[in-house]
Amino acid sequence: DSGVTQTPKHLITATGQRVTLRCSPRSGDLSVYWYQQSLDQGLQFLIQYYNGEERAKGNILERFSAQQFPDLHSELNLSSLELGDSALYFCASSGLGQPAFFGQGTRLTVV
Amino acid sequence: AQRVTQPEKLLSVFKGAPVELKCNYSYSGSPELFWYVQYSRQRLQLLLRHISRESIKGFTADLNKGETSFHLKKPFAQEEDSAMYYCALSVTGNTPLVFGKGTRLSVIA
Repeated sequence: DSGVTQTPKHLITATGQRVTLRCSPRSGDLSVYWYQQSLDQGLQFLIQYYNGEERAKGNILERFSAQQFPDLHSELNLSSLELGDSALYFCASSGLGQPAFFGQGTRLTVV
Repeated sequence: AQRVTQPEKLLSVFKGAPVELKCNYSYSGSPELFWYVQYSRQRLQLLLRHISRESIKGFTADLNKGETSFHLKKPFAQEEDSAMYYCALSVTGNTPLVFGKGTRLSVIA
């Protein structure tokens, strides 16, 4: 157990819908990262938050957004979902000078 | 921009044979390098971090700055080593990891 918790584990939704993925980082970790893993694209970095502020942005679509709350948990919002958004979405957290630890992921299926 | 290259998509070896998973990176500074392992689309688990220079599950990796490589090695492969292995780079602490495409290791009994 890495200490990073993601909910839900599985999500099936229809095209055009909006979903929210949740991540609770390890205790004390201020950084939260979101990654998308698909079969053809591998692991793509989406966005990073550090202590509530956006720190870095990767290949995140405009239809996607994220935030980190005062208790340091983070949410990734995916809207106007398309079939191609089906993927595993991982959250990771890290502390100062520490490597990133990953959650078990949310498997999103868009039908 | 930083880039991590894992040239092999799939590597098949027999049980007991040596394993080497290749990783090359491009970055002009001094990055931090990692190996992560993923079993059956589960969570990514940290396997090795170059600054710790320790051996985990019999795996070792040495950072070669001249060749910009961080190859993962194990002298005797076990069936339970079958998994997806990702090499990753971080520019500084608390910055996003840049991952290679991964190598699927299959250990054949």
